[in-house]
Amino acid sequence: ETGVTQTPRHLVMGMTNKKSLKCEQHLGHNAMYWYKQSAKKPLELMFVYNFKEQTENNSVPSRFSPECPNSSHLFLHLHTLQPEDSALYLCASSPLEQGGELFFGEGSRLTVL
Amino acid sequence: AQSVTQLGSHVSVSEGALVLLRCNYSSSVPPYLFWYVQYPNQGLQLLLKYTSAATLVKGINGFEAEFKKSETSFHLTKPSAHMSDAAEYFCASSNQAGTALIFGKGTTLSVSS
Repeated sequence: ETGVTQTPRHLVMGMTNKKSLKCEQHLGHNAMYWYKQSAKKPLELMFVYNFKEQTENNSVPSRFSPECPNSSHLFLHLHTLQPEDSALYLCASSPLEQGGELFFGEGSRLTVL
Repeated sequence: AQSVTQLGSHVSVSEGALVLLRCNYSSSVPPYLFWYVQYPNQGLQLLLKYTSAATLVKGINGFEAEFKKSETSFHLTKPSAHMSDAAEYFCASSNQAGTALIFGKGTTLSVSS
C-alpha cells in the first residue's frame, strides 16, 4: 500500500458542480499539505495542517475549502470552480521534525469545463 | 525570506553524459535542502536530502548533490545519464519543522540517445 493515496486520480467537472478530492496517508505523519501544480508554473502551496489544525492558507480563493478530520485524512472541497483552476492537485504529508521531507501522493488531475 | 532558484528550466544531455542541475538557495538560517523528481502524471519522489550531516549527499538512481555554503548552492549531479532519467526535477528547502517546503520552479531534463 502506497504511503499517500489520492482519489480520484482524474476528475472532470463543470463550473457549477461540487466535488471533493481525498487524500489519505498511512505513514503516521502529523502534517499534511495541498499543493497546486499548473502547466508551466511552479508548485503553489495552498494549505498546511499540523495536528488537524490549519496553519497556513496561501490566499487561496474560498471556492477551495479544505477539511482535515484527523491526521490521516485531508480533503479539498471544490465549488463553482473556474477553468483556470484546472491543474494537478498534489497532497503531501510529513513528520513534524526538523528536516522532515514531504511524501507526495500521485495527484488528482482536475479539469474544469 | 527563504527562496530557491533553479537555473535553467530545461537541460538536454546525451545518454551517458554528465547531468548537472543547478540550485541556489537563500536562507537566513542553515537550511534543509531536498531534490525531488517527477515523472509524467505522477507525484514528486524524493531523490535525496541534506540535513547538515555530510555535505556530499548520495541519493537514489545514482544521483548526488553537494551542499556548498559559500556558494549557497546545492547542485544535483549524475555521472552518466540514462534515458529513464528524463523527468522534471525540483529543488526545495525548509528551515523549520512543520512548515511547507519552498520549491524552485523545476528543471526538465531531456536525455537523447
